[in-house]
Amino acid sequence: SAVISQKPSRDICQRGTSLTIQCQVDSQVTMMFWYRQQPGQSLTLIATANQGSEATYESGFVIDKFPISRPNLTFSTLTVSNMSPEDSSIYLCSVAQTGMDEQFFGPGTRLTVL
Amino acid sequence: EDQVTQSPEALRLQEGESSSLNCSYTVSGLRGLFWYRQDPGKGPEFLFTLYSAGEEKEKERLKATLTKKESFLHITAPKPEDSATYLCAVQANSNYQLIWGAGTKLIIKP
Repeated sequence: SAVISQKPSRDICQRGTSLTIQCQVDSQVTMMFWYRQQPGQSLTLIATANQGSEATYESGFVIDKFPISRPNLTFSTLTVSNMSPEDSSIYLCSVAQTGMDEQFFGPGTRLTVL
Repeated sequence: EDQVTQSPEALRLQEGESSSLNCSYTVSGLRGLFWYRQDPGKGPEFLFTLYSAGEEKEKERLKATLTKKESFLHITAPKPEDSATYLCAVQANSNYQLIWGAGTKLIIKP
């Protein structure tokens, strides 16, 4: 399976600022996803990162708040904009070769907003 | 509405005490059911995919089974290193999005 890394692994940020999270894969993958996992809860899909086009966002998530880039088949970024304490979560990227395959996850980015 | 329910929420076992975790689902046309393990502070680790009722898969002390309504993750003679949260997710034929359960936190005491 692919080796997935995320940067930063954790960060503490001030309210109103923005943070960009990077996801790097060691091989080309078709599908890349971004999830949020709030403390003690399961995973919520934020969006599917599409290479060369705008990301596909799930209900409740908007591009202005969570802009996503995917310049190639091995890299994606998620920005959490104008942060509030409610954005404190673990943010996870995952990859799959097709939309119907199992997903493999990165180690996550633990974000705390003060 | 498609949904996944995992039980119990938490399970404490003694080392060597076998048990099962349950994942009940309702989905309009199951394409696949996935089991993951998640350690604290880490991303989920893929364990199994099951596609059809009657299918079974094994990995070390873990065995996953599937019926038309639920899946079980059987843990045989667990060790403390099996302690983790186990997540179940389903995928419908019509949509690639995974529908996640809330997880079962498994604690194995030495």
